[in-house]
Order: sequence, then structure tokens, then C-alpha cells
Amino acid sequence: ILNVEQSPQSLHVQEGDSTNFTCSFPSSNFYALHWYRWETAKSPEALFVMTLNGDEKKKGRISATLNTKEGYSYLYIKGSQPEDSATYLCAPNAGNNRKLIWGLGTSLAVNP
Amino acid sequence: ETGVTQTPRHLVMGMTNKKSLKCEQHLGHNAMYWYKQSAKKPLELMFVYNFKEQTENNSVPSRFSPECPNSSHLFLHLHTLQPEDSALYLCASSLRGDDGYTFGSGTRLTVV
Repeated sequence: ILNVEQSPQSLHVQEGDSTNFTCSFPSSNFYALHWYRWETAKSPEALFVMTLNGDEKKKGRISATLNTKEGYSYLYIKGSQPEDSATYLCAPNAGNNRKLIWGLGTSLAVNP
Repeated sequence: ETGVTQTPRHLVMGMTNKKSLKCEQHLGHNAMYWYKQSAKKPLELMFVYNFKEQTENNSVPSRFSPECPNSSHLFLHLHTLQPEDSALYLCASSLRGDDGYTFGSGTRLTVV
């Protein structure tokens, strides 16, 4: 059974601040790592699917890195805006059945 | 709209009622999923369908009965539910099963 940990659990920042969160997961039988953004009253939205160790992906002001050997991924937001306020979920896809195992997420609030 | 539509958005049902949740996508995706999201818990996979065939039943009680008549539609039939089944039920789809998921907005279910 995979144990996915996301930290911090919640975060409050000021508009314009840059921030980052961590997703930790067991590194054995790794296949892929998904990041999603979930705004209140909306659907979870896929941000990145990462597969390669050392991979870095970018979407606007959001970027993510992946270390499959040590089992972690970082999500960075540069110059946070109020519309970035959401819960950010990570989910590794691993194990023999390759199911997505979801973390509890990091709840980000960006104050104007 | 994400391309995955769920109805109804909200549902209140008694423990003796029978109701159905509906999910529809016209994205050309071949995999569809039912997830349960309870407060302070990670997303919990319930069922997976690939090309209309059920490939995953994550030990879900039989009072939840999925149906996938074609690749675009997915139902979750509910009967004799318990109050602890109250949760947000999310439908998702993906093209191949190992790529990013597209989620619906969910059905907020309350069992009274």
C-alpha cells in the first residue's frame, strides 16, 4: 500500500509571493506522478503528468519537478495570484496495478 | 465545463430510496472512473471501466452498482444506502488510463 504525503497541509500567502509544496511517495514500482488543481465548487483539473526522473514541467507560472529515486515531487507557483487559491493534489501511479493513489492535498489561499 | 458532465449536482435520498448518478463525456476517452470523496479523506477509487468493461471494483459494497452502456456514459445506481455514504461522488475519464484525468463537477450526495 502506497503512502502519499503532501506538505504543508495548508498555506496562506500574499499576492505576488512565490511558493512551493511537496509530494512524497514510495519510490518502488514508480510509473507516473499526476498533479491536479481543485478549486472550490469546481472539478479537479489536471496540471501535469510526469514520468521521468529529473523531469521538469511548466504551465504558465506553475512548474513541477520529479525525483523518482528518492520519491518526491515539488510544485512551484511563481508570483501567486488570488485565482491560484485551490487545493493542489498529487497522485502517484505505481505498483503492479498502476492505480492512482491520492494525497490529501495542499490547500493554498492567496490573499489580495 | 470540463467535457465531463455529471447529473444531478446535488441529491438527497432516504435510506430506502433507489437513485442513479449519471456521467457523460464526449471527449473520445476510453476509460471512465467513479471516485468517492469524503471529508478529510483522499479521493477513493470505486470503479474503473475500460472500453465499457469493468476492470476495477475497489471492494465497493453492493449497494453501489455501476453501469457503463457505452464508452461515453457511466452510471452509478444507488439503493439502500447508509448515512455514511454521504459524500461527493466524482466521475472522471481518460484517454488511455495512464494519462491525465478529466473530472466532472461531482454529485454531492446526502443520505438521510
